[in-house]
Amino acid sequence: GAVVSQHPSRVICKSGTSVKIECRSLDFQATTMFWYRQFPKQSLMLMATSNEGSKATYEQGVEKDKFLINHASLTLSTLTVTSAHPEDSSFYICSAGREASYNSPLHFGNGTRLTVT
Amino acid sequence: SQKIEQNSEALNIQEGKTATLTCNYTNYSPAYLQWYRQDPGRGPVFLLLIRENEKEKRKERLKVTFDTTLKQSLFHITASQPADSATYLCALSNNAGNMLTFGGGTRLMVKP
Repeated sequence: GAVVSQHPSRVICKSGTSVKIECRSLDFQATTMFWYRQFPKQSLMLMATSNEGSKATYEQGVEKDKFLINHASLTLSTLTVTSAHPEDSSFYICSAGREASYNSPLHFGNGTRLTVT
Repeated sequence: SQKIEQNSEALNIQEGKTATLTCNYTNYSPAYLQWYRQDPGRGPVFLLLIRENEKEKRKERLKVTFDTTLKQSLFHITASQPADSATYLCALSNNAGNMLTFGGGTRLMVKP
């Protein structure tokens, strides 16, 4: 069964509103979680690394004030898309590894399809 | 800058044949290479990990090779089935603590 749960799977929101996406590790503790964005037929683009108890690390070009990440516990990270615009419409996916190594296999959530109208 | 290339064109094969997918990389010295499967609208699922000092890894009908001289990994599915149809992603990381970097993926279509 799934070891990383992501919710919601789909969300439609109006331009200007904010949307929160949750990512939970179900049977292990994850000090680090990763957030990706994926456009149709394209690869996963790492947006940020979520660190439990500290600030997230954002990749170059990703606006930290627009994509707020909170990793308040060892099993939950949230991504909030603030003041969403149609260009933010995309497939957002989170992942976590059982081991605290960047080389360990990752378990992915099933993604959130965000549509901003 | 580092680059990971997978054939963006879909690979169509007949059921029962062996599917071979390629992952090439440049400007990178990965210590680990991973392969994932992604179905439409779903998150990727981990399949295999191979280390730089391993030439080949097998898991059931799957086989991965890692050639650090050619800077290439090959992913094979033997006795392919329609259920193997999906997009397959390769991902690289090194011992310097860099994030796992994904290739663009190759879509495999196995026809009955």
